[in-house]
Parts: sequence; C-alpha cells; structure tokens
Amino acid sequence: NAGVTQTPKFQVLKTGQSMTLQCAQDMNHNSMYWYRQDPGMGLRLIYYSASEGTTDKGEVPNGYNVSRLNKREFSLRLESAAPSQTSVYFCASSEVGSQETQYFGPGTRLLVL
Amino acid sequence: DAKTTQPPSMDCAEGRAANLPCNHSTISGNEYVYWYRQIHSQGPQYIIHGLKNNETNEMASLIITEDRKSSTLILPHATLRDTAVYYCIVRVAWSGGFKTIFGAGTRLFVKA
Repeated sequence: NAGVTQTPKFQVLKTGQSMTLQCAQDMNHNSMYWYRQDPGMGLRLIYYSASEGTTDKGEVPNGYNVSRLNKREFSLRLESAAPSQTSVYFCASSEVGSQETQYFGPGTRLLVL
Repeated sequence: DAKTTQPPSMDCAEGRAANLPCNHSTISGNEYVYWYRQIHSQGPQYIIHGLKNNETNEMASLIITEDRKSSTLILPHATLRDTAVYYCIVRVAWSGGFKTIFGAGTRLFVKA
C-alpha cells in the first residue's frame, strides 16, 4: 500500500516550457487535490477533484490545468511555465465526508528558470 | 482567510510534553478541528482530529475547550523527530464545497 505517489520528485524547466506532474493513490479515495507551497508559506489549493470526472478550481488555479484520468490518478499540467511557478507541489487524496482526512504525497520540487 | 490562529514558533525539551495551542473562535457547531504536521520539506502528515470531545491516538492527544473556541495538541513525550511545523485547521466552506486552508502553522523545535 504505497499511499499517494508523485512523479517526478524534482524538475527544472525553462520559462515557457510545459510539463505534467503525475499523482496516483491506491487508497480508493474519491477526492484528490493539488497544492503548492512556496518557501516559508503554508499550502495553497490549486485544483481539486471531488470525484472521478469532476474538477474544480481552488485558490490559485491560474497557469495550471488538471485531468482526473480515473479514480486513482490526478495530473497537473503547466502549459507555459513561469518563474513564479517555482514551488513545491503536493498531491493529496481523501474520502468524501464530514471527517475528511487528507493523505499527502512526498511532493514535486519544481524550479523554473 | 484562515480560521485559526497559532503561535509562529515554540520550543520544547526532548522527553517533555509539547503543548501546541490553537484559537478557532469562529468555528461552527459541526466543524471538526484537524491537526497536521510537516517535517522538513515532506508532505503534511495527518495527526488527529476532533469535534468536541477530547481525542487520543498513538501520536498525540487533542484537548478541545468546552466552548470549542480553542484547542491544544499534546505530544506527550516529544522527541527530536517531532521537530516540524504543526498546522491547526478548520475547513472553510466556499462555493466549491469545503477547502482545507493551511496557514503558517507553529514551528516546533524539540531540543536535546
């Protein structure tokens, strides 16, 4: 039972390049999330998916797109990377309900030059 | 728009209890209080949550005041590996449902 896995662990991009961050969970959770964390800050929600086939914007969605490929996988795409998107990206999953405990992946560290 | 207030940092001696306070004065009657921690640059880790009764698990205890406006996370015997940022969270209702807002948290330093 691996929990939440993310790939890649680390990535360097040049401004304008595109890439997709992958996330998968094996806990059969319905909800999945993408957060970013800038140095010294808390996590901010980018996008979330309450269930397979649905996605919604979070607090900071600009510059990102997501795909809920199936129940297990939720990907985050940067179409044209900018230095302001340099951050650590965390994926999380949870069951739906009033007591919604989130389980986080190890993070992807992204540097945009 | 965080609904919780925590001290920015705290120290604790190894082996002693670490008591981390949190104020959530605007909490609604059916909202749970959650605690997570983040060790160095790892993903946040769930610790415990509660509604109005005190809760205990293998990691920690959660004490919630009777008026539910504040709570305290207790690590009974802190170790060096408990050095981390601890987040107290009450989920916020918004147009998309509920969202979990991670504020700046409390940076706990456990010292030998």
